[in-house]
Amino acid sequence: DQQVKQNSPSLSVQEGRISILNCDYTNSMFDYFLWYKKYPAEGPTFLISISSIKDKNEDGRFTVFLNKSAKHLSLHIVPSQPGDSAVYFCAASEDDKIIFGKGTRLHILP
Amino acid sequence: GAGVSQSPSNKVTEKGKDVELRCDPISGHTALYWYRQSLGQGLEFLIYFQGNSAPDKSGLPSDRFSAERTGGSVSTLTIQRTQQEDSAVYLCASSSMGLRGETQYFGPGTRLLVL
Repeated sequence: DQQVKQNSPSLSVQEGRISILNCDYTNSMFDYFLWYKKYPAEGPTFLISISSIKDKNEDGRFTVFLNKSAKHLSLHIVPSQPGDSAVYFCAASEDDKIIFGKGTRLHILP
Repeated sequence: GAGVSQSPSNKVTEKGKDVELRCDPISGHTALYWYRQSLGQGLEFLIYFQGNSAPDKSGLPSDRFSAERTGGSVSTLTIQRTQQEDSAVYLCASSSMGLRGETQYFGPGTRLLVL
């Protein structure tokens, strides 16, 4: 069973608008959540993270929201730019392990 | 460069052959991870090395898979008697101390195709 789920395999957003990527998890013991971004033929790169003791973390155009009661987190990108087109992986950590979701492919439309 | 490097970048092999994949982590990073990404799947954890501690092998899918890390630096992932379902991108990552929530830096991956 997947412990980290990204139910939307792809998402298309107009340039300049807000992109919202969602992630659900099942394990209440996860205490750290991360988002990674991956371009084709490259390894994933770290984007932003949030500790379970917070409900929001912001870094420039990127904001991650955590709703522990719903076991849900989301990544907001605003305004969306063409270079944001990539696959975004949600990940959760417990102890030393990180468990990744299947990813959501984001297309930024001109 | 100063990033994580992996070799080869691509590997095509015949079913039943053994393959070795190499990872050079960022210098000074004590934690090293191997992941696998099959088509349409997320990143599947395989194995984790932290310093001189015994590795966490809980993610290895079968006993055909093994990995070692020599001198706390370079790591090799070996797949024996490869099967077609082993075809995937194998990603290596390293982090400074392997702490909870610490950023992992990924290499570009090795794309393995088993015919």
